[in-house]
Amino acid sequence: KQEVTQIPAALSVPEGENLVLNCSFTDSAIYNLQWFRQDPGKGLTSLLLIQSSQREQTSGRLNASLDKSSGRSTLYIAASQPGDSATYLCAVRLATGNQFYFGTGTSLTVIP
Amino acid sequence: KAGVTQTPRYLIKTRGQQVTLSCSPISGHRSVSWYQQTPGQGLQFLFEYFSETQRNKGNFPGRFSGRQFSNSRSEMNVSTLELGDSALYLCASSLAGGPLNEQFFGPGTRLTVL
Repeated sequence: KQEVTQIPAALSVPEGENLVLNCSFTDSAIYNLQWFRQDPGKGLTSLLLIQSSQREQTSGRLNASLDKSSGRSTLYIAASQPGDSATYLCAVRLATGNQFYFGTGTSLTVIP
Repeated sequence: KAGVTQTPRYLIKTRGQQVTLSCSPISGHRSVSWYQQTPGQGLQFLFEYFSETQRNKGNFPGRFSGRQFSNSRSEMNVSTLELGDSALYLCASSLAGGPLNEQFFGPGTRLTVL
């Protein structure tokens, strides 16, 4: 069974700092990995999708990397802003089936 | 293009009652998946429907059921509600089945069981 873990569970940083969120998964036979953002009480907003054949994806201040063989992904956020405060979730999908296996989430607070 | 919509957004029920939640996918999408999110268990997969057929099911009791209509709209039903069913229920739609297709999530339905 696929287990997805995110470290740290919570993170508080001053505005302007660069930060890294970590995601690890137990079964390396993934099809893709996706990072989401969730604001309190709201749904999920997709940030970046990395296919298993890719090593990284970038969108604006966000960069996600994937090392399938070691079962790890990182989300790098540059020059953090208070508006980045949210919970960040990583999720993997296997080659068969359509369901996501979600991580435990990292709650990020960016202090002005 | 309208996104995934879920109704109602908030719901309060008492133990023992049943509840039906609705999800309208993005136009043209044929796959709808449902997830339960709780503080203790995080996000867990309930089931997926594609072309009116349940294609995949998570590890939830039979009190949780769903269906999909010919227009791809989906409903999930929870019978004999328990306090532990209090959660945010999210649905996601995709164009077709399989991990190749990106999934888009709705805003969720917040269910509170008293």
